[in-house]
Amino acid sequence: EVQLVESGGGLVKPGGSLRLSCAASGFSFRDAWMTWVRQAPGKGLEWVGRIRSEADGGATDYAAPVKGRFTISRDDSSNTLYMDMNSLQTEDTAVYYCVLIDCWGQGTLVTVAS
Amino acid sequence: SYELTQPPSVSVSPGQTATITCSGDALPKKYVFWYQQKSGQTPKLVIYEDNERPSGIPERFSGSKSGTKATLIISGAQVEDEADYYCYSSDSSGNQRVFGGGTKLTV
Repeated sequence: EVQLVESGGGLVKPGGSLRLSCAASGFSFRDAWMTWVRQAPGKGLEWVGRIRSEADGGATDYAAPVKGRFTISRDDSSNTLYMDMNSLQTEDTAVYYCVLIDCWGQGTLVTVAS
Repeated sequence: SYELTQPPSVSVSPGQTATITCSGDALPKKYVFWYQQKSGQTPKLVIYEDNERPSGIPERFSGSKSGTKATLIISGAQVEDEADYYCYSSDSSGNQRVFGGGTKLTV
């Protein structure tokens, strides 16, 4: 069974940093292109960014609002996806999901507030 | 930045056909995916690669695409189909993914 379990969310002050993790199981993680998606309270889905498999170059792409502040990485040895979030702003408040096209984690809530 | 446009809401009576559209300039050359999100739940994939249905998704869900417009069709919509629906695709470069703004389906 494919499983994605996010962790690392919490309350952070504007300008602060957080690292989100996503533990993957039930599929060949090293071959997967992984995506982060967020959903602000009461709002729609927003694509945040993705990372290719190492076999496909391992490159990353980011949405304009987070480019330069967020960094996606992966550890294929531990089947874990990461996202480092810096210079957090109140508008980054959202539930963050780790996604494998047809499978979503339960999400982790990030709240940016003073 | 690239955008996908969906109607904010669609309303049908039970048993009627619901159609939800998604428009985007790159759609002629890029696959469209459709997600269903019921209240308080995580999104679920209901259509992938324009018109393919994942296992476990009822046959009443189908997808089509023509030019710059993709359509999610729910034939004989049921009360349990009431949800927010999002289309998902990429820009012409393939490097930027985007969701439509979402359509609230009321049955």
